[in-house]
Amino acid sequence: AQSVTQLDSQVPVFEEAPVELRCNYSSSVSVYLFWYVQYPNQGLQLLLKYLSGSTLVESINGFEAEFNKSQTSFHLRKPSVHISDTAEYFCAVRLTGGGNKLTFGTGTQLKVEL
Amino acid sequence: DGGITQSPKYLFRKEGQNVTLSCEQNLNHDAMYWYRQDPGQGLRLIYYSQIVNDFQKGDIAEGYSVSREKKESFPLTVTSAQKNPTAFYLCASSIAQGAYTFGSGTRLTVV
Repeated sequence: AQSVTQLDSQVPVFEEAPVELRCNYSSSVSVYLFWYVQYPNQGLQLLLKYLSGSTLVESINGFEAEFNKSQTSFHLRKPSVHISDTAEYFCAVRLTGGGNKLTFGTGTQLKVEL
Repeated sequence: DGGITQSPKYLFRKEGQNVTLSCEQNLNHDAMYWYRQDPGQGLRLIYYSQIVNDFQKGDIAEGYSVSREKKESFPLTVTSAQKNPTAFYLCASSIAQGAYTFGSGTRLTVV
């Protein structure tokens, strides 16, 4: 079975500083990888996904993540954060041939401060 | 606009009472899911359905029941057997191998 580890439960950062949210997964077979963002009292929104091809994927609001197969990681980065990026971020994994079930990490709360 | 709608947004349950959470989607997705979210625990899968009239238990199905009589609808019933039902419940849908689309959630509180 696959699993996801988000090592940091909270990440405080000042506005305009860079940030990295870490995600590691465990699986014996190929996987698809996702990052979702959740604002308070709302559902999750897809931020970006890796299915195949280029290992570097980008979102429309400046986030990027790189799939590293050797390190089984899919860390999320942004070179300069904004107050509006304050939210909880979830990494998720799905087996490429294992149906539609997503397994989520426990989430990382990103708090951007002035 | 296509989307997934959960209702109600807030729900209060008395001890020993069954309650049903609604989830409706007009995205024409085959698969639907129910997750429970608790602080610090991420999302845990309760039930999922890949096709109409079929569903499977997830990791924490005890005390919950579902039905999938229509493609658009996947209601979740929280029964009196669920001893700790206070949580945020999220419904999602997807096409095969696609990313999930989530509803805005229902916050259930036991009073």
